[in-house]
Amino acid sequence: AQSVTQLGSHVSVSEGALVLLRCNYSSSVPPYLFWYVQYPNQGLQLLLKYTTGATLVKGINGFEAEFKKSETSFHLTKPSAHMSDAAEYFCAVALWGGTASKLTFGTGTRLQVTL
Amino acid sequence: DTGVSQDPRHKITKRGQNVTFRCDPISEHNRLYWYRQTLGQGPEFLTYFQNEAQLEKSRLLSDRFSAERPKGSFSTLEIQRTEQGDSAMYLCASSHRDSFANTQYFGPGTRLTVL
Repeated sequence: AQSVTQLGSHVSVSEGALVLLRCNYSSSVPPYLFWYVQYPNQGLQLLLKYTTGATLVKGINGFEAEFKKSETSFHLTKPSAHMSDAAEYFCAVALWGGTASKLTFGTGTRLQVTL
Repeated sequence: DTGVSQDPRHKITKRGQNVTFRCDPISEHNRLYWYRQTLGQGPEFLTYFQNEAQLEKSRLLSDRFSAERPKGSFSTLEIQRTEQGDSAMYLCASSHRDSFANTQYFGPGTRLTVL
């Protein structure tokens, strides 16, 4: 069974500051890892994903994440926050080689960006 | 390019009533998923279809819930005898079988409020 832990349900940063959202996973087999963003009253939009290969993954809107197997982590970063980044962010895991590959999500981190 | 669509976007009903939601996946996506998201939580997997076959159901899907995908295209999720605990956002996602890592794309969701 797989699980995801997102440390910090709320993160507040100033506009222009570094964004760091933490995600740790537990999986018995090599995982696929995803970050999704959700704006109020909307569905989830895929930001980026890790499958195999390069451990530093670049996504949309300037976000990137690094897969660290030794730390079982997949933290999301952005060098400079923008007001439009304010949203809820979800980390998710799917099992490598799974047929259904249902996603298991963390509880989310709400990002607040202040002036 | 049309994404995943869901209808209705909002539904308010009285306890004990039946409700039905519809999901139209991205065309040519043969996999379709339903998730439920309650306030402050990440989405939780409910069920999964490959074409018209329902291949997996979560224990969250009680016998009051039924999902169909009759022609392998759109899907419906019905909740009978709704309870206040059914109030949540119901999200639909789709993916293509050949998609590496089975990347799922989400619709905007249907928010259900049971009074």
